[in-house]
Amino acid sequence: NAGVTQTPKFRVLKTGQSMTLLCAQDMNHEYMYWYRQDPGMGLRLIHYSVGEGTTAKGEVPDGYNVSRLKKQNFLLGLESAAPSQTSVYFCASSSPGQGSYNEQFFGPGTRLTVL
Amino acid sequence: AQSVSQHNHHVILSEAASLELGCNYSYGGTVNLFWYVQYPGQHLQLLLKYFSGDPLVKGIKGFEAEFIKSKFSFNLRKPSVQWSDTAEYFCAVSSKAAGNKLTFGGGTRVLVKP
Repeated sequence: NAGVTQTPKFRVLKTGQSMTLLCAQDMNHEYMYWYRQDPGMGLRLIHYSVGEGTTAKGEVPDGYNVSRLKKQNFLLGLESAAPSQTSVYFCASSSPGQGSYNEQFFGPGTRLTVL
Repeated sequence: AQSVSQHNHHVILSEAASLELGCNYSYGGTVNLFWYVQYPGQHLQLLLKYFSGDPLVKGIKGFEAEFIKSKFSFNLRKPSVQWSDTAEYFCAVSSKAAGNKLTFGGGTRVLVKP
């Protein structure tokens, strides 16, 4: 089991460029998430998906789009990159548990720099 | 809305010292609580979790945490740290009312000096 994988690991963009980050999981999880991690702010949820073909906005969705065409993949797109989007991006997945318990499994992260 | 605050941003201590990291959450309903650890250059890993039952939870690598509902707290403890515990620690909360989404605290960087 590879768990949760992310590509690419590193990327440098110029302001205004676009790119797509790919997240893949092989645990047959229903839920997938995209977070950004910034110093002193923990992880903040960008978008998430509770199943194939469905997506929803998280805490900081502006400037990002997502798609979940296949259950195992969750793509994060930056339409027009800005320096404020310089961050480390983490993908996570989980399975709906009993009650509200919901352990998430994280990928290794993508470090993005926007110049 | 649920939120999490971690009191210390940075902690420096020597090997064999005891560690306690504070975590408080704000949400009045039923919650699930987590501590994640991020070692340098690595992704987040789950240390321990609480969702019901015994409020004293034991996790991996000798860590434990105590859920005190009256104080809205879930503090992380380890009696004797090692150099390999150098990492960033994140407290997180989820609740059914918030759609089971995780809300993270800002993290605490722990440096253990050999």
